[in-house]
Amino acid sequence: GAVVSQHPSRVICKSGTSVKIECRSLDFQATTMFWYRQFPKKSLMLMATSNEGSKATYEQGVEKDKFLINHASLTLSTLTVTSAHPEDSSFYICSANLDTYNEQFFGPGTRLTVL
Amino acid sequence: DAKTTQPNSMESNEEEPVHLPCNHSTISGTDYIHWYRQLPSQGPEYVIHGLTSNVNNRMASLAIAEDRKSSTLILHRATLRDAAVYYCILRVHFLSGGSNYKLTFGKGTLLTVNP
Repeated sequence: GAVVSQHPSRVICKSGTSVKIECRSLDFQATTMFWYRQFPKKSLMLMATSNEGSKATYEQGVEKDKFLINHASLTLSTLTVTSAHPEDSSFYICSANLDTYNEQFFGPGTRLTVL
Repeated sequence: DAKTTQPNSMESNEEEPVHLPCNHSTISGTDYIHWYRQLPSQGPEYVIHGLTSNVNNRMASLAIAEDRKSSTLILHRATLRDAAVYYCILRVHFLSGGSNYKLTFGKGTLLTVNP
């Protein structure tokens, strides 16, 4: 199956700093990628849909100025958590699906801890 | 979004079959039924999907009710590595059509496998 990677896998930062998380499709091109966040013992919540070459589509209640998404190439989408605060601490997961497959491929996730 | 209902948790013994139920009474004619699973601290993993007919793959089987208002994921012989949260999701296509779609995760079923 196709592989999606994320970097970093784990990051700890101070409150007020910005953190960038990368999501890469390693062996396929993805015009669309998705970003989720997951709090401990909770389900995944879709944050936004990242579209290559255009603006991301954010789900209701997600601050687009807080969570900046850039999808500059067919294999890379980035999520930047700006001015991070402890309540932004979460598990962030990206995914992508292929035209020729019916399954969505998920990255391994990035654990963000804001002190 | 069409919703699904799953039991919060289920328990099984190793090497025994497991039947994970899912209710989706508001499913529409074009909604595919997807199953994903998530191991602790990992991104979700595709398990199986179907529309109307029962489906089999190397991981599991999917039994879909004739009225499509419910489905059952069947793990034929549970192993300790099958312990995970299993999500039953209705795949909703983007309004613009095409092959891109987004997934809305519910709470899922936490499967515990006893040795």
